[in-house]
Amino acid sequence: QVQLVESGGGVVQPGRSLRLSCAASGFSFSNYAMHWVRQTPGKGLEWVAVISHDGSNAYSADFVKGRFTISRDNPQNTVYLQVNSLRAEDTALYYCARDIAWKVLSGDLDVWGKGTTVTVSS
Amino acid sequence: QSALTQPASVSGSPGQSITISCTVTSSDVGSYKFVSWYQQRPARAPKLMIYEGSQRPSGVSNRFSGSKSGNTASLTISGLQPEDEADYYCCSYAGGAVFGTGTKVTVL
Repeated sequence: QVQLVESGGGVVQPGRSLRLSCAASGFSFSNYAMHWVRQTPGKGLEWVAVISHDGSNAYSADFVKGRFTISRDNPQNTVYLQVNSLRAEDTALYYCARDIAWKVLSGDLDVWGKGTTVTVSS
Repeated sequence: QSALTQPASVSGSPGQSITISCTVTSSDVGSYKFVSWYQQRPARAPKLMIYEGSQRPSGVSNRFSGSKSGNTASLTISGLQPEDEADYYCCSYAGGAVFGTGTKVTVL
């Protein structure tokens, strides 16, 4: 079935880096844009970044300020989020999600993973 | 600060209809053309309920409907059921996605 599985989260010190991964299965991965969305404990959803189906375009939220980079490996059916210079406020559950549209970017997210937790603490 | 404002909570009795609003507060109102809606039950990932303002994905109950008037989008849940109790978020994409502040729906 259609599935997204995130990994790579953990407990890290402020200023360190992590690479989050999201493995896709059950659909034609290379034909869909992919997003990362995060949710801080007890708070709402916050969009982080998106990458187009072929990796040619990527956009991120203003708060990222160049610290996060989204990328994808279509032959491996995987999307990544490199998170650098981590801060306490980056502590969150990070979800990856599929854009509903075929080969275009709509911003509507129809498939979600269960998330991977990032905790930034000294 | 989100550009999409929702009421913090909405409640209703089983069988009733409720409406959740999502108001664009940004000065760039014209950029937020379509709104999608997500349901998030406790400790679960969000679930797409409405996209492109009023379209339902396959498998979503027709008790859920979306509409828009001016700079306010709305999600209506008719025939409220206990399993509808959850957090609901609106979202719009305009060069980047923006989620609303979220609304907790309580079934009395």
